[in-house]
Amino acid sequence: GAGVSQSPSNKVTEKGKDVELRCDPISGHTALYWYRQSLGQGLEFLIYFQGNSAPDKSGLPSDRFSAERTGGSVSTLTIQRTQQEDSAVYLCASSLNSGRGRIQYFGAGTRLSVL
Amino acid sequence: KQEVTQIPAALSVPEGENLVLNCSFTDSAIYNLQWFRQDPGKGLTSLLLIQSSQREQTSGRLNASLDKSSGRSTLYIAASQPGDSATYLCAVSSTGNQFYFGTGTSLTVIP
Repeated sequence: GAGVSQSPSNKVTEKGKDVELRCDPISGHTALYWYRQSLGQGLEFLIYFQGNSAPDKSGLPSDRFSAERTGGSVSTLTIQRTQQEDSAVYLCASSLNSGRGRIQYFGAGTRLSVL
Repeated sequence: KQEVTQIPAALSVPEGENLVLNCSFTDSAIYNLQWFRQDPGKGLTSLLLIQSSQREQTSGRLNASLDKSSGRSTLYIAASQPGDSATYLCAVSSTGNQFYFGTGTSLTVIP
């Protein structure tokens, strides 16, 4: 099992509650990405981590969204005070930062439903 | 902001046919372009990655081309099989960090 692992696979929550989504990247991958895939829409970039550098947060849609990556490995995406429009599949990907290019390996995603 | 468009949105072909999926992007200053497939309820699987300095990449029955000047990429699938049925996504990066995805082409290969 050397792939990207995400948990939970499904999360149902009530509007206004906070949620945490977890991503375990492939061991040794220095780059980690979070995306959001809403129904009928393409993947939307949220945030990118590379090693110990400051993350690229330019895709986070609001200050209710935050993410951290501890020890350069596991990452947690937190959504505070969830809204119905946050309902989507949240995908995590990791990659090596190699000269061959950044082939991204994706997890199966977390399907978030906000009631 | 980079905009990525994929045409057609859906495609249905009989088994054995060769087919071409199209991807266009608005900003030609790209770092690389990647093609993925997504199966229902699953994450994305990388198929081919083309660096900005390359014109094409091949893997088995798949061939992806890149024309930066015209802002286009194509994914050619030879001798299609029912197992090729999936949604195919094109993603473009200008920096290697942030990737912009198209909405995909849903392919159905009919046995």
